[in-house]
Amino acid sequence: NAGVTQTPKFQVLKTGQSMTLQCAQDMNHEYMSWYRQDPGMGLRLIHYSVGAGITDQGEVPNGYNVSRSTTEDFPLRLLSAAPSQTSVYFCASSKTLNTEAFFGQGTRLTVV
Amino acid sequence: GQQVMQIPQYQHVQEGEDFTTYCNSSTTLSNIQWYKQRPGGHPVFLIQLVKSGEVKKQKRLTFQFGEAKKNSSLHITATQTTDVGTYFCAGRGTDKLIFGTGTRLQVFP
Repeated sequence: NAGVTQTPKFQVLKTGQSMTLQCAQDMNHEYMSWYRQDPGMGLRLIHYSVGAGITDQGEVPNGYNVSRSTTEDFPLRLLSAAPSQTSVYFCASSKTLNTEAFFGQGTRLTVV
Repeated sequence: GQQVMQIPQYQHVQEGEDFTTYCNSSTTLSNIQWYKQRPGGHPVFLIQLVKSGEVKKQKRLTFQFGEAKKNSSLHITATQTTDVGTYFCAGRGTDKLIFGTGTRLQVFP
């Protein structure tokens, strides 16, 4: 099992560009989520999904879109990148909300 | 909305000293999870607490869930250099997992 796979590992964007961070899991987990990690701020929830076709906003959803067309994939889209979106992004999945979350390796994004 | 705070933000200890991090939620939690993130790595699950007043141990690590299910603590006895990293608590609200701000532990040999 690969677990949770995130691509790319590193990305540099110019302000205003758009891109998609990919996240895939092969554990048949229903619950998937995206977090961003900034120094001193911990992990902040961007969007989450409790199953295919269902998504909802977390703590910091502005500037990001998600979709969940399959159980396996949960891409995160940056519509128009801003320097404030410079961060490390983690995708996570779990069987349910009451079980452990498995994290991907992270994507380090820099917006210049 | 639900907020989860952790203190302290940083802790530097000499190897062999004890370490404790505290987690406080603004709302009552269904359960609380603890994760460890090594420098440059991703968070890795340590444990989950569900019951009010629950205490669980993993070798030198002791985890506690408060009676009101709004706070938790992680205590490490006799720290080792392998304990270095950031420790996060994560509280489950109705339908989402909210992480605390984390405590970064540095251990000096």
